[in-house]
Amino acid sequence: GEDVEQSLFLSVREGDSSVINCTYTDSSSTYLYWYKQEPGAGLQLLTYIFSNMDMKQDQRLTVLLNKKDKHLSLRIADTQTGDSAIYFCAVFMDSNYQLIWGAGTKLIIKP
Amino acid sequence: KAGVTQTPRYLIKTRGQQVTLSCSPISGHRSVSWYQQTPGQGLQFLFEYFSETQRNKGNFPGRFSGRQFSNSRSEMNVSTLELGDSALYLCASSLEAVAIGSYNEQFFGPGTRLTVL
Repeated sequence: GEDVEQSLFLSVREGDSSVINCTYTDSSSTYLYWYKQEPGAGLQLLTYIFSNMDMKQDQRLTVLLNKKDKHLSLRIADTQTGDSAIYFCAVFMDSNYQLIWGAGTKLIIKP
Repeated sequence: KAGVTQTPRYLIKTRGQQVTLSCSPISGHRSVSWYQQTPGQGLQFLFEYFSETQRNKGNFPGRFSGRQFSNSRSEMNVSTLELGDSALYLCASSLEAVAIGSYNEQFFGPGTRLTVL
């Protein structure tokens, strides 16, 4: 079945850029999403990218999509302590109308 | 607009019992999806309801069931609880049903933390 993989942890220094990576297996995905989950809070949509795009930028966030390698990344520029959270990659599977989720990457900010 | 609400927020049950979780979507949203979240495993899709009909179902046993009411509120039921059912259960609502080629933002509730002893 479809699989979405992410590293479980990423540690960066405050002020540096964070790059969270995600790989998936279903090539027919039309929409790919990044969600953020903070402790005690619900999941919040950060950004998304349509499959015919290579890049999308939204303020400090940059999403890169490499369809050939089935690789999605989220770059957070100038990482702040408020960016500490778990970041989930989710891929919409056209074949069964389901969102398939990665296990989430916990972003740890070092002072 | 009020966000997605889920009740109860925390629940402790013992093996063999059954449990009902409730979700109230954002006003005007007609689609409700349920997910199970466990540490290190991400979210696993349970089912999606739209206009009181189950449109889609994930790979969970028949002990997991749900329904949606005419006001779009949804309930999820788990019967004969097992230790492995301990998880955070998330509900998400969206305006329309999930569809191919259609951007569809899901808005999540805070979840119900179920612990099975």
